[in-house]
Amino acid sequence: GAVVSQHPSWVICKSGTSVKIECRSLDFQATTMFWYRQFPKQSLMLMATSNEGSKATYEQGVEKDKFLINHASLTLSTLTVTSAHPEDSSFYICSARDRINEKLFFGSGTQLSVL
Amino acid sequence: KQEVTQIPAALSVPEGENLVLNCSFTDSAIYNLQWFRQDPGKGLTSLLLIQSSQREQTSGRLNASLDKSSGRSTLYIAASQPGDSATYLCAVRKGGGADGLTFGKGTHLIIQP
Repeated sequence: GAVVSQHPSWVICKSGTSVKIECRSLDFQATTMFWYRQFPKQSLMLMATSNEGSKATYEQGVEKDKFLINHASLTLSTLTVTSAHPEDSSFYICSARDRINEKLFFGSGTQLSVL
Repeated sequence: KQEVTQIPAALSVPEGENLVLNCSFTDSAIYNLQWFRQDPGKGLTSLLLIQSSQREQTSGRLNASLDKSSGRSTLYIAASQPGDSATYLCAVRKGGGADGLTFGKGTHLIIQP
């Protein structure tokens, strides 16, 4: 079946540093990828929608200058958390929509801990 | 703003029982509804997807129903097994374009051997 590879699976960083998370569709092309965030005991919340070759669309309350999204190819989207702070500690997960059949596949997530 | 609620938040039952997980959503103008399974340290696995025009979908021991007008969906799991232990998420998609999903908080299910 279709696979979405998300890397890294976990990261610990110091406050003020930037962290890049990659989301890659391995055997299909995705014109649209989504980035979600999940705090403990909360639901997955959509952060932004990433479209290949264009600017990402951010949900209300999500700072676009803090969460930089790049979707430069049909198989790769990246999320960079800039100047991370402890409150950014969360589980980040991406999903990719197959451009042929529109099925949605999820990565395995990235647990970010900012000290 | 769409809100998705899942009841119960947690459920623990003996192996072999049939069980029902509930999902409700506030805005009935949905494109589709999807049930996922989330295992610790892993991504989400899609279980069933119901289009807005459909009333139910079945896959193996799983059956999902959708009553769009009342904003409800149920996931029925027959003859539960310990391997079914996971968090089950309900999510709705608003539109047919590049729309993300709105998720519930999930039901944490434990099947006791």
